[in-house]
Amino acid sequence: DSGVTQTPKHLITATGQRVTLRCSPRSGDLSVYWYQQSLDQGLQFLIQYYNGEERAKGNILERFSAQQFPDLHSELNLSSLELGDSALYFCASSGGDTIYFGEGSWLTVV
Amino acid sequence: GENVEQHPSTLSVQEGDSAVIKCTYSDSASNYFPWYKQELGKRPQLIIDIRSNVGEKKDQRIAVTLNKTAKHFSLHITETQPEDSAVYFCAAMDSSYKLIFGSGTRLLVRP
Repeated sequence: DSGVTQTPKHLITATGQRVTLRCSPRSGDLSVYWYQQSLDQGLQFLIQYYNGEERAKGNILERFSAQQFPDLHSELNLSSLELGDSALYFCASSGGDTIYFGEGSWLTVV
Repeated sequence: GENVEQHPSTLSVQEGDSAVIKCTYSDSASNYFPWYKQELGKRPQLIIDIRSNVGEKKDQRIAVTLNKTAKHFSLHITETQPEDSAVYFCAAMDSSYKLIFGSGTRLLVRP
């Protein structure tokens, strides 16, 4: 167990819908990262937050947004969902360099 | 921004042999290089990491080397076992704190 908690574990939704993925970082970690992993693909960096502020941005679509709340949990919002958004979404957290991943949220768009 | 290239994409070795996976990075300011192991459908798990002030690091059967001048780093697994079969990812943390991953190497250890 990495200490990073993600919910939901699995989610099936229809095209055009909006979903929210939630992440609770390890106790004491200020940084939260979001990654997307499509089937048999690599880990695509989406966005990073540090202590509530956006710190780095990757190839995150405009339909996607994220935030980190004062209690340090983070949410990734995916809207106007398309079939191609089906993927495993990982949250990760760190207190320094070392980054630990959660179990991921499987999103299936039908 | 940082770009990490990883090869080979697949690697098949006989149990007991060594496996080597190589990565190159583009941002000379990158200073942290972790390696992750990912089993099918599971989360990436950190197996070893190295920082830019160190040239080599070893942990039992796993070692990582870093050549800052050439901007490449490698993972070495000795005495491979079937349970080492997985996808391995290298990564580099760039100067803006983004952790960028390589494309992954699927390692198969044949019994």
